[in-house]
Amino acid sequence: DIVMTQSPDSLAVSLGERATINCKSSQSVLYSSNNKNYLAWYQQKPGQPPKLLIYWASTRESGVPDRFSGSGSGTDFTLTISSLQAEDVAVYYCQQYYGTLYTFGQGTKLEIK
Amino acid sequence: EVQLVESGGGLIQPGGSLRVSCAASGFSFSTYSMNWVRQAPGKGLEWLSSIIASSSAIYYADSVKGRFTISRDNAKNSLYLQMNSLRVEDTAMYYCVREGDGGSYSAFWGQGTLVTVSS
Repeated sequence: DIVMTQSPDSLAVSLGERATINCKSSQSVLYSSNNKNYLAWYQQKPGQPPKLLIYWASTRESGVPDRFSGSGSGTDFTLTISSLQAEDVAVYYCQQYYGTLYTFGQGTKLEIK
Repeated sequence: EVQLVESGGGLIQPGGSLRVSCAASGFSFSTYSMNWVRQAPGKGLEWLSSIIASSSAIYYADSVKGRFTISRDNAKNSLYLQMNSLRVEDTAMYYCVREGDGGSYSAFWGQGTLVTVSS
């Protein structure tokens, strides 16, 4: 199984500042035949189900603010929030959907400093 | 509008069985792969199982293989998870998840149904 490891486990950032969350996979999730990275990012607020933010590592889901961006390829990925807003306080998860067994990272809790 | 509504959760004793269901609407259910994902209280997300549109391919996480069975009824726009030999550590919110239009990312989530395994 592919193991997903996020860093850090928690993060405190000031309003208006940049927040960066990392995700590393134990093997590449880049499919060579279509050059796509099978990596998604989700946001989960308390008491709510997760919400899809980013798929194919860097494609923003419709309706997601453009301050959210995803980057990376192969085994190393990053979710960046360019200017943190109060409503961005949440837990963020990466997930690989390469192959047939999908796995999530352990989550990163983002708070306001 | 895509809607996924889970039901069937509740309190069950260790060793018992339970079936949770997911009623889907707002999309062509029979053309999408579906998944179950769970979240133990205060913990992270755990992908459990997926089933492709035709039910001809099914996959499970090692943690539930042999105990849980995913199935679907395309005529009823419904997804199911039969859970047997339940353990205390199976206590969690169980989410029904639909894949995306172009890939197997988790595009749409239900609100979840809570399963509590306790004596």
